[in-house]
Amino acid sequence: NAGVMQNPRHLVRRRGQEARLRCSPMKGHSHVYWYRQLPEEGLKFMVYLQKENIIDESGMPKERFSAEFPKEGPSILRIQQVVRGDSAAYFCASSPLSGRAADTQYFGPGTRLTVL
Amino acid sequence: AQSVSQHNHHVILSEAASLELGCNYSYGGTVNLFWYVQYPGQHLQLLLKYFSGDPLVKGIKGFEAEFIKSKFSFNLRKPSVQWSDTAEYFCAVIGGADGLTFGKGTHLIIQP
Repeated sequence: NAGVMQNPRHLVRRRGQEARLRCSPMKGHSHVYWYRQLPEEGLKFMVYLQKENIIDESGMPKERFSAEFPKEGPSILRIQQVVRGDSAAYFCASSPLSGRAADTQYFGPGTRLTVL
Repeated sequence: AQSVSQHNHHVILSEAASLELGCNYSYGGTVNLFWYVQYPGQHLQLLLKYFSGDPLVKGIKGFEAEFIKSKFSFNLRKPSVQWSDTAEYFCAVIGGADGLTFGKGTHLIIQP
C-alpha cells in the first residue's frame, strides 16, 4: 500500500516564477492537508481539502497561494510569483475519514522549495 | 487557539541513555495528541498517539508517552536510546476547531 506521495521532492525556482507542488494521498484517503515548515520552525497548517472542496484555508497566505484537490488526480499547491521567503519544505498529509480532529494524518516525504 | 511547546530544541545523548522529551500544549478542552518522528532524509512518521483511555501510550521502537491532563503535558520517553534514534521529533495536538498543530521540534542526536 503506497504511502502519501509528493513530487517533486526538490524544486528550484527564481523569484517571480510559479511553483506547483503535487500530492497523491494514500489509497482510500479523501482528505488532504498541506503544511509548511520554515527553517528552524515546526510545521504550520496551511489548508485542508476534500475532493473538489476547500474545507479550511485559514493557514494559507492571502495572496499568491492556492490549492485544489480535483475529482481526478493529485492535490496541487500552487504558489505564484514566488519570493525568497517561500523557500521551505511543504508537506502533504492525508487521512481516510471525515472530521480531521479524530484522524491520524499520514505524511508524505515533502517538497523542498528553494527560491533563488 | 491551541499551541504546542517543545522545551528542548537540541538534545545530545549517548547510546543507552534514557530519553525524555517535553511537550506542553495549551487548550482547555478535549485533545488528541501525537508524536511524529522525522529521520534524516525521510518523511514524518507517526510514533504514537493518544485519543482516549490509558494515558500511558506505547508506540513503535520502544517509545512511550504519558498524557498528564493536569499539566497539559505529553512527554515522550524511551528507557535506552540507540544511535538509530537520531532524528527530529515533533509533538502535535488536535483540539477544538484548529487543525493539527505542531511544536517546533526537538533535534535528537545520539552519540555512539
